[in-house]
Amino acid sequence: DIQMTQSPSSLSASVGDRVTITCRASQDISNSLAWFQQKPGKAPKSLIYDAFSLQSGVPSKFSGSGSGREFTLTISSLQPEDFATYYCQHYKSYPYIFGQGTKLEI
Amino acid sequence: EVQLVESGGTLVQPGGSLRLSCAASGFIFSDYHMDWVRQAPGKGLEWIGRIRNKANSYTTQYAASVKGRFTISRDESKNSLYLQMNSLKTEDTAVYYCTRGYHSFDCWGQGALVTVSS
Repeated sequence: DIQMTQSPSSLSASVGDRVTITCRASQDISNSLAWFQQKPGKAPKSLIYDAFSLQSGVPSKFSGSGSGREFTLTISSLQPEDFATYYCQHYKSYPYIFGQGTKLEI
Repeated sequence: EVQLVESGGTLVQPGGSLRLSCAASGFIFSDYHMDWVRQAPGKGLEWIGRIRNKANSYTTQYAASVKGRFTISRDESKNSLYLQMNSLKTEDTAVYYCTRGYHSFDCWGQGALVTVSS
């Protein structure tokens, strides 16, 4: 199985900041990588697929990069509604595996 | 508008069975792969399985943690996805989400809580 490791596990930031979350795969997954945002008590929301493509309706403040084994999610100009938990997930092969999550806190 | 609505979550005893349903609307259901993802209380997300679309003969894939106990099916006439869960264990306690398997998982239901406890 391909394992996914996110860092950091938690991150403190302020409104207006720019933050970056990293996700590393245990083997090459090309660009088969997605990012999700989850707020407490809510279903996850898809942000990015194929490593850097924005899902429809997702603001351009979210951006993804990387290929192979290392990927990043960058959120610019943090707003209060961006404080949530973020997950990466690969879909290179079964089983699809999520990272353990990064909690973004004020 | 694409919409996924799960139902059937409840309290069940260890060793018991339960079937979750997911009603899909707003898209051509048979065109899409569909997946189930779960989240144990306070934990991260776990993909548990997929049923492919009509073009891929509705074949299925499962995570090792549920293989042989859980079965995913779909009914195109009802635009519905199902998760049959047998031999339930306490560690199966989670919120279960159905998702549309397009561009990874582009749409999610609101989730159904399954509690396995005596």
